[in-house]
Amino acid sequence: AQSVTQPDIHITVSEGASLELRCNYSYGATPYLFWYVQSPGQGLQLLLKYFSGDTLVQGIKGFEAEFKRSQSSFNLRKPSVHWSDAAEYFCAVTSEGGYNKLIFGAGTRLAVHP
Amino acid sequence: NAGVTQTPKFQVLKTGQSMTLQCAQDMNHEYMSWYRQDPGMGLRLIHYSVGAGITDQGEVPNGYNVSRSTTEDFPLRLLSAAPSQTSVYFCASKPLAGGYLGNEQFFGPGTRLTVL
Repeated sequence: AQSVTQPDIHITVSEGASLELRCNYSYGATPYLFWYVQSPGQGLQLLLKYFSGDTLVQGIKGFEAEFKRSQSSFNLRKPSVHWSDAAEYFCAVTSEGGYNKLIFGAGTRLAVHP
Repeated sequence: NAGVTQTPKFQVLKTGQSMTLQCAQDMNHEYMSWYRQDPGMGLRLIHYSVGAGITDQGEVPNGYNVSRSTTEDFPLRLLSAAPSQTSVYFCASKPLAGGYLGNEQFFGPGTRLTVL
């Protein structure tokens, strides 16, 4: 069965520091991978997605992610974090078969110190 | 466009009560879905629909009913609420045209439900 693991429940970084959020997936074929962000009290917003082509994908708000098939990973990165990036981040993978049932990881909550 | 809207934003129920969470989208998306979000568990799919008159179960369907009479609306019904249904509920929609597997799902703002 497909699954998504986000090993870090909470991460705290200083404003201006670099950020990497980890995501590992279990999937039998070529996955469709997504990163969503949820600001407090809000719904989810898509940051970026990958399903083919260049393994380094650019998203909104200065985020990027790299797909590494050999490591079954899709880590999210940002070179310089802003205080407004404090939020919860979810990695998701398309389920095999069906109409794109998204399987979500448990999420990583990011805190940004000034 | 309003996107995906959900009502109410907050709701408190007593065990055994019933209610309907409303979801509407104005983007003419064929696919609509309901998720619940619980701490440490991410989002889990409850039910989904690929068009009017077509619904199917997701990962955690027990205790919930859905129907899809129009493209725009996808209500979620709790027939007899239980404390285990205390959660935040999100509705989402996406188009099925083109490379639908990679199409973005658009999420509503959520409904926070507490069952006492």
